[in-house]
Amino acid sequence: NAGVTQTPKFRVLKTGQSMTLLCAQDMNHEYMYWYRQDPGMGLRLIHYSVGEGTTAKGEVPDGYNVSRLKKQNFLLGLESAAPSQTSVYFCASSTPAGFNSPLHFGNGTRLTVT
Amino acid sequence: AQSVTQLDSHVSVSEGTPVLLRCNYSSSYSPSLFWYVQHPNKGLQLLLKYTSAATLVKGINGFEAEFKKSETSFHLTKPSAHMSDAAEYFCVVSVFSGGYQKVTFGTGTKLQVIP
Repeated sequence: NAGVTQTPKFRVLKTGQSMTLLCAQDMNHEYMYWYRQDPGMGLRLIHYSVGEGTTAKGEVPDGYNVSRLKKQNFLLGLESAAPSQTSVYFCASSTPAGFNSPLHFGNGTRLTVT
Repeated sequence: AQSVTQLDSHVSVSEGTPVLLRCNYSSSYSPSLFWYVQHPNKGLQLLLKYTSAATLVKGINGFEAEFKKSETSFHLTKPSAHMSDAAEYFCVVSVFSGGYQKVTFGTGTKLQVIP
């Protein structure tokens, strides 16, 4: 049972380059999320999706774009990477069963922008 | 609005001694509360959750947490620490607001277990 799978696991970019992070879940969850994790700051929500074809901004959306063309996939794009985007990125998913549904996380993507 | 405060960024205990990781929250609604654990270079794993059924919640690996509304706290405890408990722990508050599940993470507590 794969759960939530993120690719790639590691990536190094130069300033100005672009890339896409892929998140795939096999649990038929409606909700999907992208977070970034920085030391001492916990996890901060970048963008989220409440269903196929819908996306919305979280608390730190600047410099990122997302797409949810298929229910099982949630893509996070960086059009022009900046050193401030060096972080560990986590994807998560959950069911729309109200506020007590736990989030299921992938193992993260470690991104370094030089 | 909601927020989570983890009162200690680092906690160090000896193996076999009790663990206490402190969490206070604030929320305009009745929240659900969670604890997650993150081992190095891994994703976050759910330890336990509180959803208004019982105030004392038991989780995996011998952890439990008590919801105290009057103190707005949700502290995580374990009677006897094991070396494998060394990890970072996150307290999380969740409410359903604006059409989606709004989740707020604490800044984390790193638990060190000394042999």
